[in-house]
Amino acid sequence: EVQLVESGGGLVQPGSSLKLSCVASGFTFSSYNMHWIRQAPKKGLEWIALIYYDSSNKYYADSVKGRFTISRDNSKNTLYLEMNSLRSEDTAMYYCASRGFAYWGQGTLVTVSS
Amino acid sequence: DVVLTQTPPTLSATIGQSVSISCRSSQSLLHSNGNTYLNWLLQRPGQPPQLLIYLVSRLESGVPNRFSGSGSGTDFTLKISGVEAEDLGVYYCVQSTHAPRTFGGGTKLELK
Repeated sequence: EVQLVESGGGLVQPGSSLKLSCVASGFTFSSYNMHWIRQAPKKGLEWIALIYYDSSNKYYADSVKGRFTISRDNSKNTLYLEMNSLRSEDTAMYYCASRGFAYWGQGTLVTVSS
Repeated sequence: DVVLTQTPPTLSATIGQSVSISCRSSQSLLHSNGNTYLNWLLQRPGQPPQLLIYLVSRLESGVPNRFSGSGSGTDFTLKISGVEAEDLGVYYCVQSTHAPRTFGGGTKLELK
């Protein structure tokens, strides 16, 4: 069974940092590109980052470029999102996804508030 | 960046009715390799999205065949032939032809 399990979310103050993780199982993690997508409360889906299967390419949405860093460790079947200089507008559920958006985790909630 | 415009934003339907959702792209989604990377997702309340259709018209495994996708270039359509109660939620198109990836704004399907 395919599973993506996100963790690392929580309540943080503006300007702080947070690192999210996404552990994959049930498929060959090292063969697939991985995405981070977020959804602000009562809003639509926003794609924020992509990393190729071999980490050779990374892409970011303009809204997070320069503040967020996507990475992966294929030996640990784990995807990461390092988030710096967090803002209130980064408050959202953060999902990892793969295989052309066929696989999704349940999400981890990040709340940025003072 | 590619902008995907979905219409209508809200759709009211009765059980058994057939409905269509449009997704228009600001650029052609035809990739240089000949594929068109346009997918459709459904997000039910409180759940992560679920893939319904990939490569414009290919049905994801396990998805009922009342769902179908069509289109090319910049204009795409998702059709539900006979809405069922479990189909209620928000539908999104998403493109993977160009970087950055982008989602449409969503279409909420409600019961009339």
